[in-house]
Amino acid sequence: QKEVEQDPGPLSVPEGAIVSLNCTYSNSAFQYFMWYRQYSRKGPELLMYTYSSGNKEDGRFTAQVDKSSKYISLFIRDSQPSDSATYLCAMSDGNNRLAFGKGNQVVVIP
Amino acid sequence: KAGVTQTPRYLIKTRGQQVTLSCSPISGHRSVSWYQQTPGQGLQFLFEYFSETQRNKGNFPGRFSGRQFSNSRSEMNVSTLELGDSALYLCASSLEGTYNSPLHFGNGTRLTVT
Repeated sequence: QKEVEQDPGPLSVPEGAIVSLNCTYSNSAFQYFMWYRQYSRKGPELLMYTYSSGNKEDGRFTAQVDKSSKYISLFIRDSQPSDSATYLCAMSDGNNRLAFGKGNQVVVIP
Repeated sequence: KAGVTQTPRYLIKTRGQQVTLSCSPISGHRSVSWYQQTPGQGLQFLFEYFSETQRNKGNFPGRFSGRQFSNSRSEMNVSTLELGDSALYLCASSLEGTYNSPLHFGNGTRLTVT
């Protein structure tokens, strides 16, 4: 079993829809969780950074962490064509382990 | 505050050559990490430097090496290039370290080996 699993997609949604992305993981020591957005020919850009379980909201973006299920999610409300990118999840134990998902490509159709 | 800067943006080299990539971290960030990104493998960790010392290393051959200078700027070197080294090389900086503070990435150096 891979340490972090992320469905690569692509995921196509119409403009204005809610985009739902998720990652599952196997290492119960992970306690820091991140979501990155990567546009073509650019580096990953940090979107959300959360610690432990719970929800965090930032504008149209909401990150959820369920440590009991080893499952994290990112929701994008009112999606825009500019949200078309690859989204990567990442998680760390805060000590000596950091793992990335392989990324999920999202296409928002105008 | 300026972000992570990587130079050059693009490089084309031939097999057997060597290459040096450069990274300037965000001001005040002491940790610099390097990653290789390919479509098939995703992000793979190369190494991390903190205060001029290599603190962590991934599973890459010794042809891949790096260093960090006293101003936190970092360089990565790949010797005896192979076709499989073609990838996007990303540098990331963080305040204290790779594992307990978020990484901020540069836009990468696209290396093509022919």
